[in-house]
Amino acid sequence: NAGVTQTPKFQVLKTGQSMTLQCAQDMNHEYMSWYRQDPGMGLRLIHYSVGAGITDQGEVPNGYNVSRSTTEDFPLRLLSAAPSQTSVYFCASSAAGGTGELFFGEGSRLTVL
Amino acid sequence: GEDVEQSLFLSVREGDSSVINCTYTDSSSTYLYWYKQEPGAGLQLLTYIFSNMDMKQDQRLTVLLNKKDKHLSLRIADTQTGDSAIYFCAESPSSSNTGKLIFGQGTTLQVKP
Repeated sequence: NAGVTQTPKFQVLKTGQSMTLQCAQDMNHEYMSWYRQDPGMGLRLIHYSVGAGITDQGEVPNGYNVSRSTTEDFPLRLLSAAPSQTSVYFCASSAAGGTGELFFGEGSRLTVL
Repeated sequence: GEDVEQSLFLSVREGDSSVINCTYTDSSSTYLYWYKQEPGAGLQLLTYIFSNMDMKQDQRLTVLLNKKDKHLSLRIADTQTGDSAIYFCAESPSSSNTGKLIFGQGTTLQVKP
């Protein structure tokens, strides 16, 4: 089982460039989310989705866009990268009902120069 | 708003017990979780506890929940060098599971041989 797959694993951008972090899950989970991890700050929620066609903002949504056209995919778009967006990004999925356990991808390390 | 707090660092000797503490603010959380992150990897669920329980034991892991004080702890018995990692406490911010978790800052556990 692949679980949650994120690409790319590493990316370097210049300020002002745009890019998309890809996330796909093969567990047929209804819920998907994006977090960023910064030292000493834990994980902070950027955007989340409770199903195809439905997205909502988390704690730190500014500068990011998401869409959920299929159950499997939940890409995160950086519109105009800024050095403050240098971080490690994690995609996660979970099943509706149950214990709410999140299944995480391995992360995408982004550096914005 | 919801908040989860953890101390940032804990150092123990191999064979000792480790206790990682966490406080949270949302009294309506249905589940509370402990995740483990090894270097360069995503987060993996270690264990969780339902809010109507005081204690849960799973092999070397013991979770204690004090709902009155909104305090959660994770005890690792006979700590091994392979337990060195970052440990995150997390809560569901409402009684309904929507795939959103609030994470603490993470506690780095260092195990000395």
